[in-house]
Formats: sequence, structure tokens, C-alpha cells
Amino acid sequence: GQSLEQPSEVTAVEGAIVQINCTYQTSGFYGLSWYQQHDGGAPTFLSYNALDGLEETGRFSSFLSRSDSYGYLLLQELQMKDSASYFCAVRHRDDKIIFGKGTRLHILP
Amino acid sequence: KAGVTQTPRYLIKTRGQQVTLSCSPISGHRSVSWYQQTPGQGLQFLFEYFSETQRNKGNFPGRFSGRQFSNSRSEMNVSTLELGDSALYLCASSGTENTEAFFGQGTRLTVV
Repeated sequence: GQSLEQPSEVTAVEGAIVQINCTYQTSGFYGLSWYQQHDGGAPTFLSYNALDGLEETGRFSSFLSRSDSYGYLLLQELQMKDSASYFCAVRHRDDKIIFGKGTRLHILP
Repeated sequence: KAGVTQTPRYLIKTRGQQVTLSCSPISGHRSVSWYQQTPGQGLQFLFEYFSETQRNKGNFPGRFSGRQFSNSRSEMNVSTLELGDSALYLCASSGTENTEAFFGQGTRLTVV
């Protein structure tokens, strides 16, 4: 089957660093993506890893290791506006994009 | 350019009725996917259309169907509505590279 596992909730302090992990059980996929969704809003794209390694985009970085079936999203210098749900997703070779159940990030002042 | 547009934004239906939701993708995008989002279940894949053909289908009953028109606009239909169909229905469009999905604001369906 195809499944992605990520923690349901994570709590961190403003200004700190937080890592949201995603493990997957699937094969034949092109890459791992991350999306952010604020309450009442639509998911928005954050990053895409086609190859193993780290991709950095400003305060956000994303990592993929195909050999470990694992990826993570790293958020640095946390701001209150980063409070949201974060979803990992895989794009399969048949072009279907499957999402995890999401991680709710709570940020404390 | 305009983003993905979903109509209506909110809908209330009674059990047993049917509903049709509409999605207009970003201009030039030929792939349109539909997702159901409920609390704690994340985004569950319904189906994907590409150039008027259903290319992928998720694990939903046959009451859920869709179609795509020649201008890439897509509709999804749910027949014989059940209380459990209450959810946010999101549509996303993708371009040729398909590495990024652009989501609409969704249609909040409430079945009473």
C-alpha cells in the first residue's frame, strides 16, 4: 500500500527550530513535497525534494532519504505565523499526489 | 494569473440529496485533482483528471464521481449524500512538471 506517517502535533517556542518528520511506505515515486495549511485556508506549497539531500528555502528546509524512506521539514527562527498544519506528500509515477494526515504545529511565545 | 477557483464556497444539503462542486484550474494546467479533508484524516485523494480523462482514482465509493471538460474545468458529484460526507472538498491543479499542486479555497459541504 501507500502511506505516509507524520506526528499529529508538535509544539515549539517562538524563535526556536523545529523538525517535522515524515516516513513513508510506498515505492516508485518521483519526490516528496511539503505543504502548509493555516486554519480556514488552502494548502500552499512549501518545497519539493526530487533527490536525496537537503533543499533550503529561506527559513524552511526539507530533506529526503530514499534509502531510509524518510524525510523532514525543518523550520528555523520560528514565528507565530508559522502556527499551521504541515503535510508531507508524495508524487507517484502515475502522477497521483498522496498526502499524509498532517502535523499541527503549535508555537508558544 | 488567476488561481484555482472553487464554487460554491459553502453548501448545506440533506441526506439522500446529490451535489455538484466545480473547480476552475489555473490557466494552462491540465491536471485537476480532488481531495476530501476531514479533521484528523488529512487530505484523502478522490480522483485526478488530465485532459478530460480520469487518470487516477482513490478509495471512495461509486457515489463520488467527477469529470473534466475541454477547458480543463472539473466538476465532482456526490450522489445519495450521507452525514459522513460532510467535509472540506479541495481541488488542486498542476502544470506539466506536476511537482507543485495549487489548491483552491475549497467547498465546505455540510450534510444534515
